Amino acid sequence: NAGVTQTPKFQVLKTGQSMTLQCAQDMNHNSMYWYRQDPGMGLRLIYYSASEGTTDKGEVPNGYNVSRLNKREFSLRLESAAPSQTSVYFCASSDGLTGETQYFGPGTRLLVL
Amino acid sequence: DAKTTQPNSMESNEEEPVHLPCNHSTISGTDYIHWYRQLPSQGPEYVIHGLTSNVNNRMASLAIAEDRKSSTLILHRATLRDAAVYYCIPSSKSPNDYKLSFGAGTTVTVRA
Repeated sequence: NAGVTQTPKFQVLKTGQSMTLQCAQDMNHNSMYWYRQDPGMGLRLIYYSASEGTTDKGEVPNGYNVSRLNKREFSLRLESAAPSQTSVYFCASSDGLTGETQYFGPGTRLLVL
Repeated sequence: DAKTTQPNSMESNEEEPVHLPCNHSTISGTDYIHWYRQLPSQGPEYVIHGLTSNVNNRMASLAIAEDRKSSTLILHRATLRDAAVYYCIPSSKSPNDYKLSFGAGTTVTVRA
């Protein structure tokens, strides 16, 4: 099993450009999450999806949209990128029924100029 | 969410035990205590979790105080691969809804 995969690994954007970060998991998990991590800080939750067909805002949702495409895939979209969105983005998934462990992807490093 | 206090950093020698404390005095009675770690340039990975009793797994041990206001993660024999940021995270367990709140964590350095 690949676990949680994220694409791309690294991206450079100009201010105002848009892009979508992709995340997929092959563990048949119900819940999926998007976090961002700024340098020297812990992770902050952007959005989460408790189950297929539902999404909810986390701690820092402004400037982002998400889509739970199916049970496997959860994408994060930046409609108009800003330098403040320069960060490392992590996707995670968990079995919503037990909720004991979240499995994280390797991250996407985003630089907005 | 319960607030946590962890030391900013700790150092250890290879093959020696590491005891990582965490204070979570505002934890509710139903919150689990989770520990995750993040190796350099990687996503966080689960280490261990518990509710009231001490817990052991292949990675570490978790000692939970009787009043649940603090806990200690124990790495029995530190290796260079254990150098990481360790996060202590109390969290509720709602059906189909499970969120983690990461703080700054403790940066563990292991000396060869």
